[in-house]
Amino acid sequence: AQSVTQLGSHVSVSEGALVLLRCNYSSSVPPYLFWYVQYPNQGLQLLLKYTSAATLVKGINGFEAEFKKSETSFHLTKPSAHMSDAAEYFCAVSAQNTGGFKTIFGAGTRLFVKA
Amino acid sequence: GAGVSQSPRYKVAKRGQDVALRCDPISGHVSLFWYQQALGQGPEFLTYFQNEAQLDKSGLPSDRFFAERPEGSVSTLKIQRTQQEDSAVYLCASSPGGAGVGNEQFFGPGTRLTVL
Repeated sequence: AQSVTQLGSHVSVSEGALVLLRCNYSSSVPPYLFWYVQYPNQGLQLLLKYTSAATLVKGINGFEAEFKKSETSFHLTKPSAHMSDAAEYFCAVSAQNTGGFKTIFGAGTRLFVKA
Repeated sequence: GAGVSQSPRYKVAKRGQDVALRCDPISGHVSLFWYQQALGQGPEFLTYFQNEAQLDKSGLPSDRFFAERPEGSVSTLKIQRTQQEDSAVYLCASSPGGAGVGNEQFFGPGTRLTVL
């Protein structure tokens, strides 16, 4: 079975500070890993994904994430937070089950950015 | 527009009513997913279609939930005899390929269902 744990339901940073959102996964088979962002009253939008190529994945809006198999982690980072980054962020793992891949989402981390 | 659309955006139902939620995926997308997102939680998988075939319905919480995609495009999620615990945002997502290749899913804005 697959699972995702996001550490911290809320993270608050100052504008210009480093953003670090933590994600740990569990999977018995090689996983695909994703980070999605959700703005209020909108659907989820893909930030980046890991599909067994480079372990450091660069995404949109200056975000990146590093796949660390030994730590079963896929933390999301951004060097300098902008006010527009305030949103809910979801880590997700995708792995095979009967009939195809099921995507399992974490509970989400809400990012607050202070001026 | 070119994105995934869902209707209605908001639905209020009295307990015991039946509801139908519609999803229009991106044209040509093979895969279609339904998720349930409770307040303050991440989306939880309900069911998956590849074209018109429902390949995985393991996430449907009860036999009151039924989904279809008869022509491999538009999909409807039906909930019979709604109960208060069904209150959630129902998200639809589509993907260009089969689900087995780790494709990005494109999400609609969701339907917020409130059962009174």
